[in-house]
Amino acid sequence: DAGVIQSPRHEVTEMGQEVTLRCKPISGHNSLFWYRQTMMRGLELLIYFNNNVPIDDSGMPEDRFSAKMPNASFSTLKIQPSEPRDSAVYFCASRTQGGQPQHFGDGTRLSIL
Amino acid sequence: DQQVKQNSPSLSVQEGRISILNCDYTNSMFDYFLWYKKYPAEGPTFLISISSIKDKNEDGRFTVFLNKSAKHLSLHIVPSQPGDSAVYFCAAMVSSGSRLTFGEGTQLTVNP
Repeated sequence: DAGVIQSPRHEVTEMGQEVTLRCKPISGHNSLFWYRQTMMRGLELLIYFNNNVPIDDSGMPEDRFSAKMPNASFSTLKIQPSEPRDSAVYFCASRTQGGQPQHFGDGTRLSIL
Repeated sequence: DQQVKQNSPSLSVQEGRISILNCDYTNSMFDYFLWYKKYPAEGPTFLISISSIKDKNEDGRFTVFLNKSAKHLSLHIVPSQPGDSAVYFCAAMVSSGSRLTFGEGTQLTVNP
């Protein structure tokens, strides 16, 4: 079974540039989660979707961050403009509704210079 | 406000011995708890979970204990193996919702 697929695995870009992270959830999973992992704050939830609808975006740090889920098999997390403090590992996870564990992708390591 | 805390950043044990990883939480609404294991350059992988209606759940070498009155849970690995060396995250949620709250993680090193 294919797991959660994230791309790119690594991204290095200059501050001010737009960054787009991509996620393909496990087929049949109808909840999708975006996390950010940093040394200072650990693993923190940014936003999650149920059935392609954003349910809770209270973890999105500021208006520079946006996330979309145009269909059940694809989601994007966009940062525009990017700043050095956005450097982190970004994880996507998915699950079926009803208490199943979340399954994580291998993350995108983002470096903003 | 850190609602889930893992106070030990690291733990080192000998192969074959028991590893005990600890986790405390403050939110009394949490009723479902999970442990994830994470290797470098990979995402966290689900290990074991426990509902608040239980105080113990066992899966092979892994056992999770829950003490609701103390708001404390622990993960026991017996016997520990070098392949268990990883970062272990404790996570908690309200089962009627979807949001997982993670602890900071504990780096476990099992020495041959």
